[in-house]
Amino acid sequence: EVQLVQSGAEVKKPGESLKISCKGSGYSFTSYWIGWVRQMPGKGLEWMGIIYPGDSDTRYSPSFQGQVTISADKSISTAYLQWSSLKASDTAMYYCAKAGTTVRDAFDIWGQGTMVTVSS
Amino acid sequence: SYVLTQPPSVSVAPGKTARITCGGNNIGSKSVHWYQQKPGQAPVLVIYYDSDRPSGIPERFSGSNSGNTATLTISRVEAGDEADYYCQVWDSSSDVVFGGGTKLTVL
Repeated sequence: EVQLVQSGAEVKKPGESLKISCKGSGYSFTSYWIGWVRQMPGKGLEWMGIIYPGDSDTRYSPSFQGQVTISADKSISTAYLQWSSLKASDTAMYYCAKAGTTVRDAFDIWGQGTMVTVSS
Repeated sequence: SYVLTQPPSVSVAPGKTARITCGGNNIGSKSVHWYQQKPGQAPVLVIYYDSDRPSGIPERFSGSNSGNTATLTISRVEAGDEADYYCQVWDSSSDVVFGGGTKLTVL
């Protein structure tokens, strides 16, 4: 079964750093793009960025460029999303999603989501 | 940057047909994907490349794309179809773009 399993919910303070993970299984992790999507409470889906684990080619939405870092460790089939200094406005659900072999492909498998709460 | 516009809400009676639109400049030249998201759940792909259905998605779900509008059509709507629906494209200047989402209410 193809699946993405994300790390658990996080509660952090403003200014703290954070790295959340997304582990793929049941498919060739290095051959498919993985994207990250933010959903703020009660709001829609926002694309943050996408990575090709095979060669770590990474693209960011202009809205998130410089705000987060996307990476992948193909040895353990895991993608990451990290912040160096969280803000209260980063409070949201974050989803990883598997796309196809090209960035034009749909996100056919989604992780269960990681809720990040940033509060003092 | 490329913008996708969806109506905030659509209402339909059970058994009728729901049509959810996604507007964008010359969207007919792009490939459109559609996702369904129920409360408290992750999104699920329901239509890809304009009109293809993933395995497990009922035939009641169909898609079309032409000109400046793509449409997700849900025939014989059921109570279980009540959800938020999002369109998505890939654009050469914006990469991945999501529409703002449409809340489908089954009356």
